[in-house]
Amino acid sequence: ILNVEQSPQSLHVQEGDSTNFTCSFPSSNFYALHWYRWETAKSPEALFVMTLNGDEKKKGRISATLNTKEGYSYLYIKGSQPEDSATYLCAFYGGSQGNLIFGKGTKLSVKP
Amino acid sequence: ETGVTQSPTHLIKTRGQQVTLRCSSQSGHNTVSWYQQALGQGPQFIFQYYREEENGRGNFPPRFSGLQFPNYSSELNVNALELDDSALYLCASSPGLGSYEQYFGPGTRLTVT
Repeated sequence: ILNVEQSPQSLHVQEGDSTNFTCSFPSSNFYALHWYRWETAKSPEALFVMTLNGDEKKKGRISATLNTKEGYSYLYIKGSQPEDSATYLCAFYGGSQGNLIFGKGTKLSVKP
Repeated sequence: ETGVTQSPTHLIKTRGQQVTLRCSSQSGHNTVSWYQQALGQGPQFIFQYYREEENGRGNFPPRFSGLQFPNYSSELNVNALELDDSALYLCASSPGLGSYEQYFGPGTRLTVT
């Protein structure tokens, strides 16, 4: 059974703090690793799709790294803002059935 | 370009009833996947449709069934509803089979009483 783990489960930070989350996934049959940002009552929004070992992606204050050999990815948020409050999901794509395997997410709350 | 839409937003059903959830895929996308997110869990894969055929299925019983139409919109049908079917149901569309890009709708919240 393929398993994707995310930590921490939840995080409360002050505005301006920098933070990071971890996603661990199977290191075999790897095709891609997704990060989604999900606000309540909205669609999950794709942040990054990462495919190559050593990939680093950046979007504004948010960045992500990927290590496919050891099976982990980090998501970093620099200078958190209240609008960053959301659940951050990572998902592993192994290609077998075309489906994503999700972690349970990290819920981030940023206090002004 | 319109995104993925789902209807209805919320639904309340009684145990034993049947329900149909609907999804319109993003323009140009021919592949649709359905996921169930139960409370406290990550989304779990139900099945995927490509060009009106089921392409893959997760660990869900046969009372979960689906359809995809020629315009690539899709339905998820659940028969004989159980209390544990209460969840958020997400639909995602992809530009093609084998594409790892998936774009999600906002989901349908189903409550079974």
